[in-house]
Amino acid sequence: DAKTTQPPSMDCAEGRAANLPCNHSTISGNEYVYWYRQIHSQGPQYIIHGLKNNETNEMASLIITEDRKSSTLILPHATLRDTAVYYCIVRVNYGGSQGNLIFGKGTKLSVKP
Amino acid sequence: DTAVSQTPKYLVTQMGNDKSIKCEQNLGHDTMYWYKQDSKKFLKIMFSYNNKELIINETVPNRFSPKSPDKAHLNLHINSLELGDSAVYFCASSQTSGGGQYFGPGTRLTVT
Repeated sequence: DAKTTQPPSMDCAEGRAANLPCNHSTISGNEYVYWYRQIHSQGPQYIIHGLKNNETNEMASLIITEDRKSSTLILPHATLRDTAVYYCIVRVNYGGSQGNLIFGKGTKLSVKP
Repeated sequence: DTAVSQTPKYLVTQMGNDKSIKCEQNLGHDTMYWYKQDSKKFLKIMFSYNNKELIINETVPNRFSPKSPDKAHLNLHINSLELGDSAVYFCASSQTSGGGQYFGPGTRLTVT
């Protein structure tokens, strides 16, 4: 799996957009960018994934650069409940063994009032 | 309705015992997983399983064994528990065709 690099921590004011960056300069052509988060004492939660086009769902937007070497997860209006560790993972889009998630250290996002 | 459920939520047991953790998903997924999160909060894959293949992470001791009675269930059996097995264990599921994995709430195992 391609290695990802994320800042260890970020702060965001409540109600503002949270922009979480991720570098994945060695991503392969068939690998997708996935984002998960883990709120304290809960199981990881799937957020969004994409290959090369920007993606949006009810939780977040994913912006992938044209060269696919980096991406940004955007939480448009962060709330206190978005405080969590966010993981950027690149992997093939396959649910079997080839698609095992390799978690790094992630970014600890703190949303402050 | 809970998508991925695990029982028990907490499990405290002594060294040398054998224990099981159950996992059930009602999402209709055909692949299930077990992950271990240690005290430093690192999440590591232990197994992935569908009706065609069981893939075991080579670092997982053979005291750990997954058992799948059907597509909706993947239980984790642990023999001869050791202190180092203390961790939070998460079950997850997904479609083999891809997409996100959906995780259960975790089982906190404490071995004394």
